[in-house]
Parts: sequence; structure tokens; C-alpha cells
Amino acid sequence: DAKTTQPPSMDCAEGRAANLPCNHSTISGNEYVYWYRQIHSQGPQYIIHGLKNNETNEMASLIITEDRKSSTLILPHATLRDTAVYYCIVYNTNAGKSTFGDGTTLTVKP
Amino acid sequence: DGGITQSPKYLFRKEGQNVTLSCEQNLNHDAMYWYRQDPGQGLRLIYYSQIVNDFQKGDIAEGYSVSREKKESFPLTVTSAQKNPTAFYLCASTQRWGSGELFFGEGSRLTVL
Repeated sequence: DAKTTQPPSMDCAEGRAANLPCNHSTISGNEYVYWYRQIHSQGPQYIIHGLKNNETNEMASLIITEDRKSSTLILPHATLRDTAVYYCIVYNTNAGKSTFGDGTTLTVKP
Repeated sequence: DGGITQSPKYLFRKEGQNVTLSCEQNLNHDAMYWYRQDPGQGLRLIYYSQIVNDFQKGDIAEGYSVSREKKESFPLTVTSAQKNPTAFYLCASTQRWGSGELFFGEGSRLTVL
């Protein structure tokens, strides 16, 4: 499975955009990028996923570089409730398993 | 509402005792998973089941066992052979094998005294 690299922590001001980077330089052509977040002591929650095109939903936007070696999750207007650990995962549909790294702890500050 | 229910939420056990964690889903999902999470770390895969009556070892299966006799149920037993059982355990499901979107339960926190 492709490995992902994320910064261990980031801060963001409330109301500003939070941009969370992820490096996945060994991703294969048929592997997807998935993002989840985990609020303390709860189960992770799915946010968004993509293959090669940029994606947007009601929670966030996902920007994937043209070479697919990195991506950025964008929370357009961060709130205090967005404080969580964010996991970037490369998912292989054949392997059927998601491998979680240590994620990025995002702290949104007033 | 559809979802995954894990029980108990908190569990304390003495060293050497087997414990079973329950995971039930009413999403009609085919695949189910068990993850372990230690403080400050990501999730590690213990066991997974692609379909009822089938299951496979994940990355850290030693000291654990599972069964999948019903589609909606995937219990995890933490045996006395597991050297460091104290952890947060998360159950998840996907609609089918090969579908990447995981739906998680709220977790069970096991503390071995």
C-alpha cells in the first residue's frame, strides 16, 4: 500500500481556510486518496475522496496535483468544531484495506 | 438511523482474562473491519471480513480472534495471548469489498488492570 506523509500538527484561525497537505509520492494509477477526521475519542468520519480530479462537497475540497503525488484538503471556513486529527489515506480497491498513518492534528483557534 | 453500534464503550478487565467486544451494523454492508488505536497514533488493522462467514488477518492479528456468522455482527475477542491489550478499539464497515468509504462505530476503550 502507498504510504502517506502528513505534518504532525497545524494551527488555523477561526473563519480562515485550513489547508492540510498530504504527500503520497508512491501512489499507483488505480489508487484513490481518502480523507477522514477523528474528533477526540470518537470514531473517524469520512470527509472526501478523489482519484485525479479535484473534488468538493459540503464539508471540504480536495485538490490533487497533476502528477498525483500530493494532495491538499481545504476546509474553507474553519470553525472550532473542526479541531480534530485529519488522516490522509491511499486506498487500493483490489487490496480493499485502508492504512492509517498518524495524521495531522488541526487546532482551530478563536 | 443506520449505523454501527459498539459495546461496551468502556471495559475494565484483569490481566489474563479474555474479553469480547461487540460490533453490530444495520447498514446492510458486506465488509467489516476491526482497528486498534494507541494514544497519539493512527489506526492499525486487526482483522477484516469481506463477507459473511469469511475473515482475514490484518496487520496485528496476534492475540485476537473474530467470527462473522451473521452479516450484521463482527465480534472481536481479545485473548490472554495479547501482550498489550489496553487500547481503543474501532469497528468499521464498507458497503462492499473494494468500496473505500469506511463507516466507523464510536469505539470501545479497553483497560487491562
